[in-house]
Amino acid sequence: EPEVTQTPSHQVTQMGQEVILRCVPISNHLYFYWYRQILGQKVEFLVSFYNNEISEKSEIFDDQFSVERPDGSNFTLKIRSTKLEDSAMYFCASSVRLKNIQYFGAGTRLSVL
Amino acid sequence: GQQLNQSPQSMFIQEGEDVSMNCTSSSIFNTWLWYKQDPGEGPVLLIALYKAGELTSNGRLTAQFGITRKDSFLNISASIPSDVGIYFCAGQLEAGNMLTFGGGTRLMVKP
Repeated sequence: EPEVTQTPSHQVTQMGQEVILRCVPISNHLYFYWYRQILGQKVEFLVSFYNNEISEKSEIFDDQFSVERPDGSNFTLKIRSTKLEDSAMYFCASSVRLKNIQYFGAGTRLSVL
Repeated sequence: GQQLNQSPQSMFIQEGEDVSMNCTSSSIFNTWLWYKQDPGEGPVLLIALYKAGELTSNGRLTAQFGITRKDSFLNISASIPSDVGIYFCAGQLEAGNMLTFGGGTRLMVKP
């Protein structure tokens, strides 16, 4: 069964460093998303991406964040200068169309020290 | 932004018991979804609801989209140990694609 894959599963970084989280969405899906979940809290929307541009973003997704689809298969989330409060699970999701079911990856745990 | 209030926060039940959890919102949602999250994993979709009043089943799971479009419930019948996990409701507005998640219900099942 097709699935969303994320790498790495765990990323440890020093405060102030840049990190790139990688995702391979399901191959025929056109809409891509990033969500995050701080330990013990709810899943929060960050950004959605379609046709090589951001279609929606939340207040959390500030200038420190960026997304990119560098090739036909990968979808990345970059955090330019990590802060301690960026420590969380980051989930990538994809859907075939607008309003279609979103399928989630297993997540990348980001630990900022 | 929109808020989803999910209750209860946690439940500790005996195997074989039925479970009920619900979500309410002050906003109208166009779609309600129920996901389950196992430790260290991403949310996995259980049931999707698209129309007010809709009642949908998936095996032992049943979910309903409230008539007012501001609430939804999930029932699990005859719980088994593998039902353990965190259950999240999520809503999607008519405009936009983002999902708003509830705070989750942690289900623990005693064999």
